[in-house]
Amino acid sequence: GNSVTQMEGPVTLSEEAFLTINCTYTATGYPSLFWYVQYPGEGLQLLLKATKADDKGSNKGFEATYRKETTSFHLEKGSVQVSDSAVYFCALVSNTGNQFYFGTGTSLTVIP
Amino acid sequence: NAGVTQTPKFQVLKTGQSMTLQCAQDMNHNSMYWYRQDPGMGLRLIYYSASEGTTDKGEVPNGYNVSRLNKREFSLRLESAAPSQTSVYFCASSENPAGTGGWTDTQYFGPGTRLTVL
Repeated sequence: GNSVTQMEGPVTLSEEAFLTINCTYTATGYPSLFWYVQYPGEGLQLLLKATKADDKGSNKGFEATYRKETTSFHLEKGSVQVSDSAVYFCALVSNTGNQFYFGTGTSLTVIP
Repeated sequence: NAGVTQTPKFQVLKTGQSMTLQCAQDMNHNSMYWYRQDPGMGLRLIYYSASEGTTDKGEVPNGYNVSRLNKREFSLRLESAAPSQTSVYFCASSENPAGTGGWTDTQYFGPGTRLTVL
């Protein structure tokens, strides 16, 4: 079946530190991959996505590369800010299915 | 442009009571979705509607019913609430019909409804 596994949090970083949040997936066919972000008290927002292997999604300084050989879509940012404090969700949709699968979320806190 | 709106924001029910969660979008989107979010489990899809007049089950549909009232509105009904349905419920919408490439569209989420069933 389809599933997404994220690194467990919470993650606490100092401002300007490098961020990596790991995400691996299991899917049939060729899934599309997403990172969504949830700020406190709000709904989720799309951060970036990649729809085929080797694609790189990027937005607001965040990047993730679709690696089919390692079934991974790790989120990275070179220098985090306090405003990046949020919960980050990795997600997939299989091109053969009709479901959207979210990981369990990783909470990030950035301290000044 | 309000995006996706949900009512109510908070609700407390007793076991066995019924209620309807309302969702509306003003972006002229074809697809709408209901998710529940539980600690340590991420979001799980309850039901979705690929277009006006159609609804389909998601991963966890038991205990819920939905109605796509028109293109704008998609409601979620709990007929007989149970403590296991205590959760945060999110509605979302996306532009294209799900199932015709629409699953890769950006989903726009509402602010959520926090439901507690005692």
